Amino acid sequence: EAQVTQNPRYLITVTGKKLTVTCSQNMNHEYMSWYRQDPGLGLRQIYYSMNVEVTDKGDVPEGYKVSRKEKRNFPLILESPSPNQTSLYFCASRHDRAYEQYFGPGTRLTVT
Amino acid sequence: QKEVEQDPGPLSVPEGAIVSLNCTYSNSAFQYFMWYRQYSRKGPELLMYTYSSGNKEDGRFTAQVDKSSKYISLFIRDSQPSDSATYLCAGARSGNQGGKLIFGQGTELSVKP
Repeated sequence: EAQVTQNPRYLITVTGKKLTVTCSQNMNHEYMSWYRQDPGLGLRQIYYSMNVEVTDKGDVPEGYKVSRKEKRNFPLILESPSPNQTSLYFCASRHDRAYEQYFGPGTRLTVT
Repeated sequence: QKEVEQDPGPLSVPEGAIVSLNCTYSNSAFQYFMWYRQYSRKGPELLMYTYSSGNKEDGRFTAQVDKSSKYISLFIRDSQPSDSATYLCAGARSGNQGGKLIFGQGTELSVKP
């Protein structure tokens, strides 16, 4: 089954404790992105990657890091999480059609 | 000003009603316009897309774009309880890097049996 998977699905952590959210897709897509979804603000892009070792900032990159060492994986790293990073995070991937993004099931992160 | 504006609702309608969901956008460079549907505790999934202006129909769903007024609409005919979800409109530039979609806030729709 073609899909984007994320782990963990739910995470509660404390301020300053480094964490990684993993994302993997099995569709051989070149493009992958991370979004956060907040009430009243909708989905906003954090980082994206056009291929292995090629990443760039989205609209809200502060406090996040990413890496793309393999085509299928695109982990999101929070080096020192803060409460304002409490949000619902989605990983997405696509082939070459910008409109047809496939989203993962989401990771709900709470930073206390 | 947000690039894509959408009334968050919530919108509640009886089963069988015609639903109209609307967005406005400000970026004249948008060429693709999308509607994504998001069920509770799930990721968004593409429902329909339109390239440039015009209408597109898929079963009970019709997407409409008016570039002159920068208006995006989604119509749902004979709405069903299974249509209850949050609907997200989005715009994208043609060939944009990284597949950056600009989303509206989403409209929560509830269809009551």
